[in-house]
Amino acid sequence: GAVVSQHPSWVICKSGTSVKIECRSLDFQATTMFWYRQFPKQSLMLMATSNEGSKATYEQGVEKDKFLINHASLTLSTLTVTSAHPEDSSFYICSSARDTQVPGQRNEQFFGPGTRLTVL
Amino acid sequence: AQSVTQPDIHITVSEGASLELRCNYSYGATPYLFWYVQSPGQGLQLLLKYFSGDTLVQGIKGFEAEFKRSQSSFNLRKPSVHWSDAAEYFCAVVSSGAGSYQLTFGKGTKLSVIP
Repeated sequence: GAVVSQHPSWVICKSGTSVKIECRSLDFQATTMFWYRQFPKQSLMLMATSNEGSKATYEQGVEKDKFLINHASLTLSTLTVTSAHPEDSSFYICSSARDTQVPGQRNEQFFGPGTRLTVL
Repeated sequence: AQSVTQPDIHITVSEGASLELRCNYSYGATPYLFWYVQSPGQGLQLLLKYFSGDTLVQGIKGFEAEFKRSQSSFNLRKPSVHWSDAAEYFCAVVSSGAGSYQLTFGKGTKLSVIP
């Protein structure tokens, strides 16, 4: 259980276009999902936290108008990189937290396989 | 604010040798602790986690970690490394409070394995 998928796994786009990445929790409901960005040979950087049915909370320095997050259901969150530029090329990883009040379980995140974005 | 330190950026071991990856955390209360492994171009796979109870935690792939509150450490160990263990390893901490999800990651330790 606790499987998270991402689609696409790899995308190449031209500068100026928008790219949408989907994150799905396949076998559990996730009231909270997270979007991370990882540069080569670096750790994960949290971009935003999204809660189902409400606006995402962005970390300092992350442009909310550039990285649009929608969490329309308990199993799906999307990240849209608008007007992508080469500097947006990165590895984007999502994660989900289960809708549970069990101590420990409620604090655990389950990660997707990541999406490699290359902007030409 | 919580923080995680992984002092070793890169470790190289011979296949069959033992391994210990260090992780120190800074957090005011008892945290929940995780070790993840990431192969190149892949997402994160959970190796093991500590919430409470026995301070020696067993994980997948023969890994274990020991929570030492007095040292604020959660070091990852494996008695005999396999070539397939070569990857990046991340230690992470999250608050144990209700509704707290935000993970703080260490910078990672890259493990290379010599055949």
